[in-house]
Amino acid sequence: AQSVAQPEDQVNVAEGNPLTVKCTYSVSGNPYLFWYVQYPNRGLQFLLKYITGDNLVKGSYGFEAEFNKSQTSFHLKKPSALVSDSALYFCAVRDISGGSYIPTFGRGTSLIVHP
Amino acid sequence: SQTIHQWPATLVQPVGSPLSLECTVEGTSNPNLYWYRQAAGRGLQLLFYSVGIGQISSEVPQNLSASRPQDRQFILSSKKLLLSDSGFYLCAWSPNGYRSHGELFFGEGSRLTVL
Repeated sequence: AQSVAQPEDQVNVAEGNPLTVKCTYSVSGNPYLFWYVQYPNRGLQFLLKYITGDNLVKGSYGFEAEFNKSQTSFHLKKPSALVSDSALYFCAVRDISGGSYIPTFGRGTSLIVHP
Repeated sequence: SQTIHQWPATLVQPVGSPLSLECTVEGTSNPNLYWYRQAAGRGLQLLFYSVGIGQISSEVPQNLSASRPQDRQFILSSKKLLLSDSGFYLCAWSPNGYRSHGELFFGEGSRLTVL
């Protein structure tokens, strides 16, 4: 079985400050992990993924995510937030040994960056 | 490069009327195809997925059906819409088999309002 949790419905950060959007997961085997961003009335856009190797993954728009196996987390980070980063962010997980190719999505976290 | 098209973008329909949302993918062959519904701008609900022509799996029993008449075409339908069918519908694709780690690529969405 695979599941993912985004413990924060909303994250507020000032422009220029670092941001973190949290994600924790649960799988039976090893995970593939993903982050997506959704702007209002748009589809989801793929940001980055963790497959294997380096625990720090870099993606689009200056975002990065850190895989922590001991804490079963995959938090999304950016060193300096922009107002244009304000959007809905989704974490997703796929259990490699689970037999399903369909990822499970979290409920989403709304990121609000204040000018 | 691959692209996904989804239409119509916006639809307002009376209760009891039929529905047809269409999605096509270009630039790839034999993709996995998905229909999701997003209510209230938050969580994603997987409705249907397909691994090939004529092969449809339903995740949630409801008033909707899906068809895949061609390799890169996925259609979401209803014979009689209910008020509860209102929402934001998202089509997505992923590479088939070993080419995919599970990341999905989404269309721009179709907003359905049932009155």
